Amino acid sequence: DQQVKQNSPSLSVQEGRISILNCDYTNSMFDYFLWYKKYPAEGPTFLISISSIKDKNEDGRFTVFLNKSAKHLSLHIVPSQPGDSAVYFCAASGTASKLTFGTGTRLQVTL
Amino acid sequence: ETGVTQTPRHLVMGMTNKKSLKCEQHLGHNAMYWYKQSAKKPLELMFVYNFKEQTENNSVPSRFSPECPNSSHLFLHLHTLQPEDSALYLCASSHDASYGTGELFFGEGSRLTVL
Repeated sequence: DQQVKQNSPSLSVQEGRISILNCDYTNSMFDYFLWYKKYPAEGPTFLISISSIKDKNEDGRFTVFLNKSAKHLSLHIVPSQPGDSAVYFCAASGTASKLTFGTGTRLQVTL
Repeated sequence: ETGVTQTPRHLVMGMTNKKSLKCEQHLGHNAMYWYKQSAKKPLELMFVYNFKEQTENNSVPSRFSPECPNSSHLFLHLHTLQPEDSALYLCASSHDASYGTGELFFGEGSRLTVL
């Protein structure tokens, strides 16, 4: 029973275009959502987060949108750069720092 | 020193071996975590320690035994593992597991192969 789902295992986007990574969740008790980025042979690193009281959070080229009624969030990267190529994990938290992760989406930004 | 350091980075062991994974954090955090990442599966939380006390055991088999001697060090002792235990084991830390928003700092992981 996966509570956080990333249904696209991979995504390929051209440099300069927008990358949109999607995430769905089932547990309405989740109140904080995070995106982590992982390069090969490295641990995941925190990218951006959003509280359930907001519907948008922006940090430079990265924006996370939350649609609570649809239990859906998305990460927008614009413009996409080759260095953004990595695996992106969506995570949700309902109890302090106990995170539930999705399976990840591998983003490839092509030249 | 990087924030969270894991050793060894790679480990191959037989099913009858005993080995340990080590994690050390230099961030002054009070909470440490073990996660397991298997192929095509989400990161699975295994154990949480907060101020050296275990606060979460996510139904992990007893062949995995964690140890947290202080807030900076975390071990995962491995004994009579199965081939399906082969995975990437990730250590993470945070300021305090009892509150916060879930921003964890991860190590680079220990890739375990059980033959």
